[in-house]
Amino acid sequence: SQQGEEDPQALSIQEGENATMNCSYKTSINNLQWYRQNSGRGLVHLILIRSNEREKHSGRLRVTLDTSKKSSSLLITASRAADTASYFCASNTGGFKTIFGAGTRLFVKA
Amino acid sequence: GAVVSQHPSWVICKSGTSVKIECRSLDFQATTMFWYRQFPKQSLMLMATSNEGSKATYEQGVEKDKFLINHASLTLSTLTVTSAHPEDSSFYICSASRLAGVPYEQYFGPGTRLTVT
Repeated sequence: SQQGEEDPQALSIQEGENATMNCSYKTSINNLQWYRQNSGRGLVHLILIRSNEREKHSGRLRVTLDTSKKSSSLLITASRAADTASYFCASNTGGFKTIFGAGTRLFVKA
Repeated sequence: GAVVSQHPSWVICKSGTSVKIECRSLDFQATTMFWYRQFPKQSLMLMATSNEGSKATYEQGVEKDKFLINHASLTLSTLTVTSAHPEDSSFYICSASRLAGVPYEQYFGPGTRLTVT
């Protein structure tokens, strides 16, 4: 399969809790990106981390990258009901081609 | 900036007909545009990559004669689903990368939901 793996496939938490999603990929990458998708909508770019970076922050988002394990994680702190969505990692191996992971469906209960 | 639109947002067509979906970069010039399809509760699968003025590059397993892609300008790409069948029903999403800006970052359109009856 072209896709990377993401876990968990689905995650249900209470508002205010932190949500952690993990992503693994198969080949060496130039960068890895995380996207958010609300049901039936297009994708929103959240954050990009380059292969020579280990951690990146953006607001309540924290992304880590471990190239030795070919894995990345997305942490959303102090989650809100509005964070309910599907989250995808997407690995870029060079040029413009991007391979998407299977996604994690996050549900934040108010 | 970096807004991508798709038209139509949804379409219902009869089996055997063809449907054209447009993808436009509204406020930037797109070097490359991508077409994805997404089945319910699944991830995006890349169908093809197109550069302005040249033939699209299709992913393995995607029929180029069925999914016709035209990238006539730096702001417009079209996907035509020819002789559509119910199994072509899906959510089609395009994305675009721009000439300047963050390398390899893609900007996604809102998607087009195709239902073939």
